[in-house]
Amino acid sequence: AQRVTQPEKLLSVFKGAPVELKCNYSYSGSPELFWYVQYSRQRLQLLLRHISRESIKGFTADLNKGETSFHLKKPFAQEEDSAMYYCALTAPGGFKTIFGAGTRLFVKA
Amino acid sequence: DTAVSQTPKYLVTQMGNDKSIKCEQNLGHDTMYWYKQDSKKFLKIMFSYNNKELIINETVPNRFSPKSPDKAHLNLHINSLELGDSAVYFCASSQGRVFYEQYFGPGTRLTVT
Repeated sequence: AQRVTQPEKLLSVFKGAPVELKCNYSYSGSPELFWYVQYSRQRLQLLLRHISRESIKGFTADLNKGETSFHLKKPFAQEEDSAMYYCALTAPGGFKTIFGAGTRLFVKA
Repeated sequence: DTAVSQTPKYLVTQMGNDKSIKCEQNLGHDTMYWYKQDSKKFLKIMFSYNNKELIINETVPNRFSPKSPDKAHLNLHINSLELGDSAVYFCASSQGRVFYEQYFGPGTRLTVT
């Protein structure tokens, strides 16, 4: 079955603390993995994609094919990181994307 | 200059009515999508269109009929609205088969009373 699992609905950390948002996926093949973010009153937007292996706003995510995971990490959380984060899997061909249920990150001052 | 736009932003209507949501993208993308986000913020794909052709229909009731008059537009018409249709509907676009990154519209909050 094709599935993206984000086990935490809510993650609350203090400013300056490390943060890790977990994502596991189930897909038979080679999908593209993404993290999307939705800040308050803003539209959903791409944060980063596994194929780029880049760091955006201090966030990184490593694709672990053995564990079928794509966890999102940041060493020092900032208050402006508070948002809803979605892990997503796009099937080859690009026409179908499966989103996880989302994790709401709350960074406390 | 807005990349993906949706109208209306809010839609309040009664059960049994028919309503439409419009979506337009000016990114030159060839693929457009409709997603439904429920009250728990779960985002689920409904339809995917590529070059005006329906590619994905994720077991959506026949009351929902998407229409793509051209590559830049993907409208969603809903017949006989039900309480369970209340949600936020997002339109998105991408240049399929290249980077797959999707650009989302601001969403349309549909409330059925």
